[in-house]
Amino acid sequence: EAQVTQNPRYLITVTGKKLTVTCSQNMNHEYMSWYRQDPGLGLRQIYYSMNVEVTDKGDVPEGYKVSRKEKRNFPLILESPSPNQTSLYFCASSSPTGETQYFGPGTRLLVL
Amino acid sequence: GDSVTQMEGPVTLSEEAFLTINCTYTATGYPSLFWYVQYPGEGLQLLLKATKADDKGSNKGFEATYRKETTSFHLEKGSVQVSDSAVYFCALSEYNTDKLIFGTGTRLQVFP
Repeated sequence: EAQVTQNPRYLITVTGKKLTVTCSQNMNHEYMSWYRQDPGLGLRQIYYSMNVEVTDKGDVPEGYKVSRKEKRNFPLILESPSPNQTSLYFCASSSPTGETQYFGPGTRLLVL
Repeated sequence: GDSVTQMEGPVTLSEEAFLTINCTYTATGYPSLFWYVQYPGEGLQLLLKATKADDKGSNKGFEATYRKETTSFHLEKGSVQVSDSAVYFCALSEYNTDKLIFGTGTRLQVFP
């Protein structure tokens, strides 16, 4: 089954404790991206990747890092989480340009 | 920059009522337009899309027409069901990119 998976689905952490949210897709897609969803703001892009070893900032990249060492994986790293990063995070993938993006189930993060 | 504006929610309807959710966009190029749906506790799923002016996207009884002259992509359904209760996001992808720009989402609640 074609899908995008994210782990964990729910995470509670404390300020400053590094964390990683994993994202994996089994559709051999080149393009992957991370979004955060906040009430009243919709979804905003954090980072994206056009292919392996090619990443770039989206609209709200501050406080986040990503890597793309393999085509299927695109982890989101919060080196020092802060409470304003409490949000619902979605990973998405697509191929080729302009085609439908497939979204993961979301990761709900609470930073205390 | 490009942007999407959609009507505030929640929209509350009785089963079998007619649905319209308004969406307008601002874009410098020739974007593709999308409606995504998010059911409770789930990720986003593509509902329908249109890639050029006057195209009509349709799926599951929902439809939307790409209107370049009014820069709109309103979502309609003739007879809603309780199972249509969800959050609906209008989005555009900038020309020749995979980046999605989302509206803030509209919650639809359908009562029996």
